[in-house]
Amino acid sequence: DQQVKQNSPSLSVQEGRISILNCDYTNSMFDYFLWYKKYPAEGPTFLISISSIKDKNEDGRFTVFLNKSAKHLSLHIVPSQPGDSAVYFCAARRNTGKLIFGQGTTLQVKP
Amino acid sequence: KAGVTQTPRYLIKTRGQQVTLSCSPISGHRSVSWYQQTPGQGLQFLFEYFSETQRNKGNFPGRFSGRQFSNSRSEMNVSTLELGDSALYLCASSLSTGGSYNEQFFGPGTRLTVL
Repeated sequence: DQQVKQNSPSLSVQEGRISILNCDYTNSMFDYFLWYKKYPAEGPTFLISISSIKDKNEDGRFTVFLNKSAKHLSLHIVPSQPGDSAVYFCAARRNTGKLIFGQGTTLQVKP
Repeated sequence: KAGVTQTPRYLIKTRGQQVTLSCSPISGHRSVSWYQQTPGQGLQFLFEYFSETQRNKGNFPGRFSGRQFSNSRSEMNVSTLELGDSALYLCASSLSTGGSYNEQFFGPGTRLTVL
């Protein structure tokens, strides 16, 4: 039972354009949503998070949007840079602390 | 401040053997979580330890076990290895567990290959 789903395994965008990564979830009890970025041979690194009581959180080039009625969140990267090429994982958390991750989306930003 | 360290980084075992992986959290962090990453499955939660006690457990068979020591270092053990256990095993540490969100910091992982 996949509670957090990233339906696009890969995404390719041109440098300077917007990258939009999507994530859907099924459990309405999640209280925090997070995005992690992972380079090959490294562990995931935290990128940005959003509490379930908010609908938007912005940090520099990264913005996360949460639509609770649709149980959907998205990560926007503007402008995209070649160094953003990585695997992006969406994760959700209940107040128990356990994180549930999606399958990941591989982003390729072409120069 | 040193990050999360995991040893060994790479491991090759054969079916039926057992393996122990080690994780040293960031100094001061008391919560350690373990995840299994396989292609197409993302990161699957194995278990979480806090103050030497298992706080959360994922949906893995009993062949997967773990423990945490008084210095917060953690080990996970997989017995009777199967080919499907080949994966990247990631450890993450955080200050505490539950309640307000505490960011999890991941180690580089241990790549386990079962032949």
